Amino acid sequence: DAGVIQSPRHEVTEMGQEVTLRCKPISGHNSLFWYRQTMMRGLELLIYFNNNVPIDDSGMPEDRFSAKMPNASFSTLKIQPSEPRDSAVYFCASSFAWGIGYNEQFFGPGTRLTVL
Amino acid sequence: AQKITQTQPGMFVQEKEAVTLDCTYDTSDQSYGLFWYKQPSSGEMIFLIYQGSYDEQNATEGRYSLNFQKARKSANLVISASQLGDSAMYFCAMREGSFQKLVFGTGTRLLVSP
Repeated sequence: DAGVIQSPRHEVTEMGQEVTLRCKPISGHNSLFWYRQTMMRGLELLIYFNNNVPIDDSGMPEDRFSAKMPNASFSTLKIQPSEPRDSAVYFCASSFAWGIGYNEQFFGPGTRLTVL
Repeated sequence: AQKITQTQPGMFVQEKEAVTLDCTYDTSDQSYGLFWYKQPSSGEMIFLIYQGSYDEQNATEGRYSLNFQKARKSANLVISASQLGDSAMYFCAMREGSFQKLVFGTGTRLLVSP
């Protein structure tokens, strides 16, 4: 079975450019998460969706970041305009959430973003 | 206050020995879950083990076990019979109540030597 798929795996862009990261969750999962990992801040949740609806976007750093989930099999994280401090590894994860209980999150391979 | 605290930035262990990675957590919820993930140098996040707050028994998965001490709010990961392939970053994480989000600790880098 395919795991969580992220694209691109690596992205190098210049400051001010728009960046779009893509994620395909595991089929049948109803929750999707976007995380960012940096040396300074560690792993932090940016936003998560349940049944395609954004539930918690309190981790989104600022208005330059936006995320969408138009259907159960696709999500995007967009940064516009990008800045050097956005350089990080961005992970997408998915899970099947059935309420309180064990809901393991499966992570994608990550997108390493470098903003020059 | 930190929700998840991992006080060991780095740990060293010799192959075939056991090692304990510490994790303490802070929550006022009665229902929560604790997770451990492994991140090798290749970067992917690999789920290792889960412990629910209501679980009576300590979780075990192969060579991994979770030493859950609820009163002390600790959820230490024990790796038995360490292997060279266990060298990686290890993250403890918590899910509170009915929320799905995970809060991660800062991680512990484990190095297994021959």
